[in-house]
Amino acid sequence: GQNIDQPTEMTATEGAIVQINCTYQTSGFNGLFWYQQHAGEAPTFLSYNVLDGLEEKGRFSSFLSRSKGYSYLLLKELQMKDSASYLCAAVDSNYQLIWGAGTKLIIKP
Amino acid sequence: NAGVTQTPKFQVLKTGQSMTLQCAQDMNHEYMSWYRQDPGMGLRLIHYSVGAGITDQGEVPNGYNVSRSTTEDFPLRLLSAAPSQTSVYFCASSSAMGSGANVLTFGAGSRLTVL
Repeated sequence: GQNIDQPTEMTATEGAIVQINCTYQTSGFNGLFWYQQHAGEAPTFLSYNVLDGLEEKGRFSSFLSRSKGYSYLLLKELQMKDSASYLCAAVDSNYQLIWGAGTKLIIKP
Repeated sequence: NAGVTQTPKFQVLKTGQSMTLQCAQDMNHEYMSWYRQDPGMGLRLIHYSVGAGITDQGEVPNGYNVSRSTTEDFPLRLLSAAPSQTSVYFCASSSAMGSGANVLTFGAGSRLTVL
């Protein structure tokens, strides 16, 4: 079957760095997305990786290892506004998205 | 641009009632979809459409109907609501399917409670 695993909840301190991991098993693979979702709001796009390696976008970076079925989202210089859920989603061979349950990130001052 | 507009934001139904969740996008996106989001679970695809006149089932289609008569609109109908349909519903659209980099734009969500 197809499956996405990510931690349910993580806590970090304002100004610190946090890494949110995601492992996936899909029928075929056409890339991996990260979305951010604040409580009570819609998910918004953060990043898309299809090739191995690290992609950096300001304070956020996303890494992919296709051979290991593994990705992570790295958030630097954490701010209180980064408190949100982070959703990992893999694209399967039919270009359908397989979603993880999301990681709730709590930022403490 | 308004993006993806969903109505209503909140709705309470009694078991057996019917209702329609409206979704409209003004980005000329070919691909539109409906998801439901439940605590502790990933987003689950209900129905999707790759263009006007074309719809297909997703992972959890039972109890829901859709139609796509125009590019802009993609309503979701609950014919006979059940408590198991209590959830937050998101409409999402993108410029194309069949591409890995198919970035979805989501509506604000509709919170439905079925008593």
